[in-house]
Amino acid sequence: DIVMTQSPDSLAVSLGERATINCKSSQSVFYNYNNKNYLTWYQQKPGQPPKVIIYWASTRESGVPDRFSGSGSGTDFTLTISSLQAEDVAVYYCQQHHSSPITFGQGTRLEIK
Amino acid sequence: QVHLQESGPGLVKPSETLSLSCAVSDHSISSPYYWGWLRQPPGKGLQWIGSIFHSGYTHYNPSLQSRVTISVDTSRNQFSLRLTSVTASDTAVYYCARHGDYGEYWYFDLWGRGTLATVSS
Repeated sequence: DIVMTQSPDSLAVSLGERATINCKSSQSVFYNYNNKNYLTWYQQKPGQPPKVIIYWASTRESGVPDRFSGSGSGTDFTLTISSLQAEDVAVYYCQQHHSSPITFGQGTRLEIK
Repeated sequence: QVHLQESGPGLVKPSETLSLSCAVSDHSISSPYYWGWLRQPPGKGLQWIGSIFHSGYTHYNPSLQSRVTISVDTSRNQFSLRLTSVTASDTAVYYCARHGDYGEYWYFDLWGRGTLATVSS
């Protein structure tokens, strides 16, 4: 199985400041034939199911604010929130779908400082 | 708007079988998507259980494969999960969700609200 490791486990950021979450995969999730990284970021708020915010490592899902961005390739990925808003408080997960079984990172809890 | 709704007993006894269903509304389950089950133990992370195509073709997580069966009922526009020989470690919120049919689309773009299944005597 591909192991997904996120860092940090939790993060406190002031409103309006930048938040950065990292995700590392135990093997590459990049496919040469279509030049895509099979890496998705989800946001999960309390009592709700996860919601896709970034897919293919850097493509923002429709309707997601442009303060959310994804970067990275191969085994190292980053989710950045450029200016933290109160509604961004959530747990964020990365997920790989390069190889079965689909696996998720352990999650990063983002709070307001 | 497409809607997924899980249903099933909230309490299951150890060693028994957990059975859940997911009803799909306003969207044909026979469309080119996979329909999957995931779970999340209280306060913990997400685990993919398996997925099914409308043809009945399935993919399972090997860690659960010996105990899991996912089936689809196209006439009722729903799909189901059976997990046998449950233990307390199977206590979790179970989600049904949708993902695309090709590998590059195997991310979950639509989720049900989840249902808590507790294993206890």
